[in-house]
Amino acid sequence: AQRVTQPEKLLSVFKGAPVELKCNYSYSGSPELFWYVQYSRQRLQLLLRHISRESIKGFTADLNKGETSFHLKKPFAQEEDSAMYYCALKSGAQKLVFGQGTRLTINP
Amino acid sequence: KAGVTQTPRYLIKTRGQQVTLSCSPISGHRSVSWYQQTPGQGLQFLFEYFSETQRNKGNFPGRFSGRQFSNSRSEMNVSTLELGDSALYLCASKDRTYEQYFGPGTRLTVT
Repeated sequence: AQRVTQPEKLLSVFKGAPVELKCNYSYSGSPELFWYVQYSRQRLQLLLRHISRESIKGFTADLNKGETSFHLKKPFAQEEDSAMYYCALKSGAQKLVFGQGTRLTINP
Repeated sequence: KAGVTQTPRYLIKTRGQQVTLSCSPISGHRSVSWYQQTPGQGLQFLFEYFSETQRNKGNFPGRFSGRQFSNSRSEMNVSTLELGDSALYLCASKDRTYEQYFGPGTRLTVT
């Protein structure tokens, strides 16, 4: 069965500190993974996808097939990074399986 | 381009009633997916429509149904509402790159 696990419901770090949001998945096929973000009072939006290998707002995520992980990282957290973050797995052709989400709070 | 719109934004219903939610995708997007978001279960996939056909369905009871019209607008219906159906219902439309664009959601409260 496809599953996405985000072990931390809440994560709090200080401004300027490194951030790592964990995501582990289980999937029998070739995975396609995403990170979505939801800022306060805004709609859910795509942050990045592993196939793009891009850095968005200073965030990067590397797919590690051996560890079945897709952790989201940023070297220096900013206050505007405070939000809810969801890791998602494309399951089959059309649907996304989401993790439970991690609420990230950046303290000044 | 205008984003995904959902109506109504808020809804209060009583147990046993039925409800219909509407979603208008981004112009040109032919795929519409529905998700249920609750504090306990998180985001769960309901179903996806493409060109008026349901292509995929999540693990929800038959009380949850949907449809898509020729203009790609989609509706979701929940019959015989239960307290546990209280949730934020999100609609997303998809372009060819598979990026899903989410609407603001309809918050349904069942009393």
